Amino acid sequence: KQEVTQIPAALSVPEGENLVLNCSFTDSAIYNLQWFRQDPGKGLTSLLLIQSSQREQTSGRLNASLDKSSGRSTLYIAASQPGDSATYLCARAGSARQLTFGSGTQLTVLP
Amino acid sequence: NAGVTQTPKFQVLKTGQSMTLQCAQDMNHEYMSWYRQDPGMGLRLIHYSVGAGITDQGEVPNGYNVSRSTTEDFPLRLLSAAPSQTSVYFCASSYSRPGGGADTQYFGPGTRLTVL
Repeated sequence: KQEVTQIPAALSVPEGENLVLNCSFTDSAIYNLQWFRQDPGKGLTSLLLIQSSQREQTSGRLNASLDKSSGRSTLYIAASQPGDSATYLCARAGSARQLTFGSGTQLTVLP
Repeated sequence: NAGVTQTPKFQVLKTGQSMTLQCAQDMNHEYMSWYRQDPGMGLRLIHYSVGAGITDQGEVPNGYNVSRSTTEDFPLRLLSAAPSQTSVYFCASSYSRPGGGADTQYFGPGTRLTVL
């Protein structure tokens, strides 16, 4: 069974800090690895997608890395802001684009 | 483009009732999938489809049926609702770029279902 684990489950940081969210997965035969953001009571918004052949992707203050050999991905958020407060989910995609999700990291950025 | 739409937004059912959750996308995406999200369990895959006429089971398919008669629509049917099916249901779609490559997943706003 494919599993995705996210650490930590919750994180609280002061505004301006740089932070790293961790994701690990058990099956290295992934199609891609995706990071999503979910606000309370809302749907999911795609943040970054890393192809299986890539090592990292960047979008603004976000940088995601992928190490298939170790089954790990990290999401780096630079200069965090209160508006970054949300739950961050990582998910591995299979060949039919079906996703296996981690349980998420709930991030709170304090003003 | 309206993106991925889901109806209804909220639904309350009694145990044993049946209903269909609707999902539609207007982006000509070939891949569509259904997930349920429960506290402490995260999002889990129910069923998915790689194109019209082709569906497959995910991690938690029991009690649910799907069909994909068109590219645009991917309805999820609850055959006989049970309290264990109380959840938030999300539909998602994605496409394959020419020549292959990674695909961004687009999620609908979700349907909140309560089974009494």
